[in-house]
This record gives sequence, structure tokens and C-alpha cells, in this order.
Amino acid sequence: QQQVKQSPQSLIVQKGGIPIINCAYENTAFDYFPWYQQFPGKGPALLIAIRPDVSEKKEGRFTISFNKSAKQFSLHIMDSQPGDSATYFCAAGLNMGRRALTFGSGTRLQVQP
Amino acid sequence: GAGVSQSPSNKVTEKGKDVELRCDPISGHTALYWYRQSLGQGLEFLIYFQGNSAPDKSGLPSDRFSAERTGGSVSTLTIQRTQQEDSAVYLCASSMGGGQYFGPGTRLTVT
Repeated sequence: QQQVKQSPQSLIVQKGGIPIINCAYENTAFDYFPWYQQFPGKGPALLIAIRPDVSEKKEGRFTISFNKSAKQFSLHIMDSQPGDSATYFCAAGLNMGRRALTFGSGTRLQVQP
Repeated sequence: GAGVSQSPSNKVTEKGKDVELRCDPISGHTALYWYRQSLGQGLEFLIYFQGNSAPDKSGLPSDRFSAERTGGSVSTLTIQRTQQEDSAVYLCASSMGGGQYFGPGTRLTVT
């Protein structure tokens, strides 16, 4: 019940495309859903996060869509650039992220020039 | 300002030896977390400190793993009698409520 399932495992898009990464969770007590970006050899960097009372949140080119009834959320990257090539992780947490996060398995994104 | 720092960045040790990994959180952050990331995998929670409360140790994989946080700031993760399956990147994060901000990690290799 603590699992977060992430798909796809890898994704290749052309520059300017809109990659979409999907996550699904089971535990309805989760109340905080962040996305992290990780470059090789670096720690994960917090990109954007959403709470379940909101259906969509945008920050720059990154958008989270949240479907509470389906227990799913997704990350969209608008106008993707080669510099966006990284591994993306979704996560879910309790108590507004103050407790330990449960992470998805990651999506390796490659944006081709 | 300074982010989360971790040391060493890389550690190679022989099976059976003890290792200590250090985390310096962002100044003023009251919560500190340790996670483990195996090659090509997601992050696995290990332990969480919040202020002066008892730590949440529910993610520690065995009693060979322990951690402490001194003075509400610096934390040390200790792995005793290391095994090859302990090889991973150990990540520390800190938080002031809400977003968790990660350090660069310590890559541990057990030979």
C-alpha cells in the first residue's frame, strides 16, 4: 500500500516535444506529491509539488496534473530541451511531506536536439 | 545559501569494516532524512529525524545500520560490518516543513 508505481521507465522525445511521466499510488492518506529531477552524479532536485486538493500546478515549463479519484498524477514538460535530459522521480508523502517520502522507480528522459 | 552537504563523496571499504557517513543539513532545517539509492533504482527511506523527537527508524534494513543527529544539526549514518549489498549511494535531505532538499550523496562501494 506504500508503493508508488512510475511509468515509463525510459522516454525519448525530440526537442520541443512534451514528455509525460505517470505515477500511481495506493495509499489514500498521502497528501503531498513532489517530483524530483536527478542528473548523473548529483542528488535529486525538487522540481514541483502538488497537494491533493489541487488538480493542476504549473511552474515554468513543468506541470503536474493530479487525479485524486484515480489515484494518479503526472508530470508534463512543455517545450522540452536537451538540458532537460535527466532521470525524473515522482514521490508521495504524508503530513505534507514532513514524513519520509515513498519514491517511484524513476524515468530516464532523453531529449534529442 | 549553502545546500545540504555530505562527506565523503566516495567511500570504498572492505567487507566487514564499519563506515560513517556525514550529513550537514541546510541551516535552520529541523528535519533530516537519510535515503539509499541503489544503481539505477529509486530512493529507499532509511531514517528520519524531526527536531528533538525520537527518530523514525522504520526504514533501516538491519541492526547494522544506525544514525544519530547531534545538536539538531549534523547527522552521521553508521554501517557496521559492511556487506556487498550495502553498496549504494546514500543520500541525505533536510526540510523546514514541506519540500525535502537533497545533498549530492555518498557513493559507498563495499569490496
